[in-house]
Amino acid sequence: GDSVIQMQGQVTLSENDFLFINCTYSTTGYPTLFWYVQYSGEGPQLLLQVTTANNKGSSRGFEATYDKGTTSFHLQKTSVQEIDSAVYYCAMRDGGQGGRALIFGTGTTVSVSP
Amino acid sequence: EAAVTQSPRNKVTVTGGNVTLSCRQTNSHNYMYWYRQDTGHGLRLIHYSYGAGNLQIGDVPDGYKATRTTQEDFFLLLELASPSQTSLYFCASSVDGNTGQLYFGEGSKLTVL
Repeated sequence: GDSVIQMQGQVTLSENDFLFINCTYSTTGYPTLFWYVQYSGEGPQLLLQVTTANNKGSSRGFEATYDKGTTSFHLQKTSVQEIDSAVYYCAMRDGGQGGRALIFGTGTTVSVSP
Repeated sequence: EAAVTQSPRNKVTVTGGNVTLSCRQTNSHNYMYWYRQDTGHGLRLIHYSYGAGNLQIGDVPDGYKATRTTQEDFFLLLELASPSQTSLYFCASSVDGNTGQLYFGEGSKLTVL
């Protein structure tokens, strides 16, 4: 079945460090890929979307790109700040399964120290 | 801004107890979802619905029932709670089934002793 794998469980950084989180996916269809962010005490919220048509997405200083060859997509930010400390989830919707809920990865906890 | 409200925010019950988690959205969204969040597992879909009276089975439905009474209200029912159902539960809504934009509530922490 469809799946999303997020290998990095925890990332610890200092302010102004470079952030990179990777996800791999498996599907027989044409997926749309998403990154969600969850701040402490809140529900997840959509950060950005990447379609296989444009291969990229960006929002709030974050950039996501997609590699069809390796069926992977990643999230990066050039210079993180303490306020970026959160849990980041990758998620996928198969374009061929309208009405199917999103499939989420297991989440990456990002901790940024000042 | 989309609004999804969950209640209760915290609940403690005993094994075998009966629990109902409530979710209300005021966005006129068609789709509503129940997820559970656990360390090492991320967000896992329990049930979802695309309208009043409709129910779709998610990926981890065992031990859970759900009912969508109106477009606004979606309930998650645990009739015989077990310690393995101790978790943080999130409700979410979306305008349709093709969007990736889900609006989540703030979560309901359930502890089963």
